[in-house]
Amino acid sequence: GAVVSQHPSRVICKSGTSVKIECRSLDFQATTMFWYRQFPKKSLMLMATSNEGSKATYEQGVEKDKFLINHASLTLSTLTVTSAHPEDSSFYICSARDFFSIWTGQETQYFGPGTRLLVL
Amino acid sequence: QQPVQSPQAVILREGEDAVINCSSSKALYSVHWYRQKHGEAPVFLMILLKGGEQKGHEKISASFNEKKQQSSLYLTASQLSYSGTYFCGTGETSGSRLTFGEGTQLTVNP
Repeated sequence: GAVVSQHPSRVICKSGTSVKIECRSLDFQATTMFWYRQFPKKSLMLMATSNEGSKATYEQGVEKDKFLINHASLTLSTLTVTSAHPEDSSFYICSARDFFSIWTGQETQYFGPGTRLLVL
Repeated sequence: QQPVQSPQAVILREGEDAVINCSSSKALYSVHWYRQKHGEAPVFLMILLKGGEQKGHEKISASFNEKKQQSSLYLTASQLSYSGTYFCGTGETSGSRLTFGEGTQLTVNP
């Protein structure tokens, strides 16, 4: 299937600092990417929808000023966790939507490998 | 609204079969199935569109009954590598975001 990369794979930071996570679609263009947060043994919680060239759409309860999303190109979206606190520690996963996947012949979402964030 | 998956967990011996169900209270356009292993990101398995189609992928297949707003994932002659958490993601229209179920934890033992 299609490949989506995420960087870094894991990061440890001090409380109050900001952390940027990159999500790249490597072999297809993605006008839409999604950012999820996942707690241990829980489902994928959609945080926001990232749209290339326009503002992200945030889910209810997600602070847009805390979780800054930028979708600067058709292959890159970034999530910046600003002024991180211990409660922001989590597994963050991005996905990219391929509108016509050569693998499925359909619109398909492919996930990145995830970023594990630990805020001390 | 989040789709409901059942069962929540299942334990199998290698070679046994399993069925995982995904039900929605809303009309669906598509159902997407993923498998996630511990500490890794979900891996795409298959997508089903409304029309009641059934798809197969090696020994893993799925069906989608749009009238009942349900999808089922069938795993036959399970292998150790099938262990993981299976998620269904549902889309209400073409291009809409997916809403994921709580997941079904599948464990295949030797």
